[in-house]
Amino acid sequence: EPEVTQTPSHQVTQMGQEVILRCVPISNHLYFYWYRQILGQKVEFLVSFYNNEISEKSEIFDDQFSVERPDGSNFTLKIRSTKLEDSAMYFCASSSMHSGNTIYFGEGSWLTVV
Amino acid sequence: AQTVTQSQPEMSVQEAETVTLSCTYDTSESDYYLFWYKQPPSRQMILVIRQEAYKQQNATENRFSVNFQKAAKSFSLKISDSQLGDAAMYFCAYRSAETSGSRLTFGEGTQLTVNP
Repeated sequence: EPEVTQTPSHQVTQMGQEVILRCVPISNHLYFYWYRQILGQKVEFLVSFYNNEISEKSEIFDDQFSVERPDGSNFTLKIRSTKLEDSAMYFCASSSMHSGNTIYFGEGSWLTVV
Repeated sequence: AQTVTQSQPEMSVQEAETVTLSCTYDTSESDYYLFWYKQPPSRQMILVIRQEAYKQQNATENRFSVNFQKAAKSFSLKISDSQLGDAAMYFCAYRSAETSGSRLTFGEGTQLTVNP
């Protein structure tokens, strides 16, 4: 069964450093997403991406964050000048064209900022 | 904006028994989708079941079924014959059908414990 894959599974970074989280969405999917889950809290939407541009972003997704699809398979989330409060699980997800189609999640990248 | 509320932070059930997890939502839209996701200790988000708002029939997937009450904006999950592997955090989620690629909005989650 096709799946969304994410790397790294866990990353520890120094405060102020830049981090890039990588994702390979399901191959025939056209919509890509990043979600965040701070430990013990609910899953929060960050951004959606379609046709090589951001289609929607939340208030969390400020100038510190950026997304990119550098080639035909990868989808990345860059976090600049990381802060302690950026420590969270970051989920990549993808879905196909129809709005009713299920959003499939990767296993997550656990980011720890120290 | 849509909101999803899960009023039970924690629930427990005896193995082989039935448990119901509650979820309510608020929306002004008429066409949408509702989901239950399971998050085990591995923290992966696993789809359990989905419901299209235009369908009156409640969705079922093996031991999992929903009670969808559109007028009441209620979407509960029933787990029958509970198994130890059902222990997880369960999230209810809403997705608009009015725009393609719309986001999922999650509730706060319900931590389910299954006692042997």
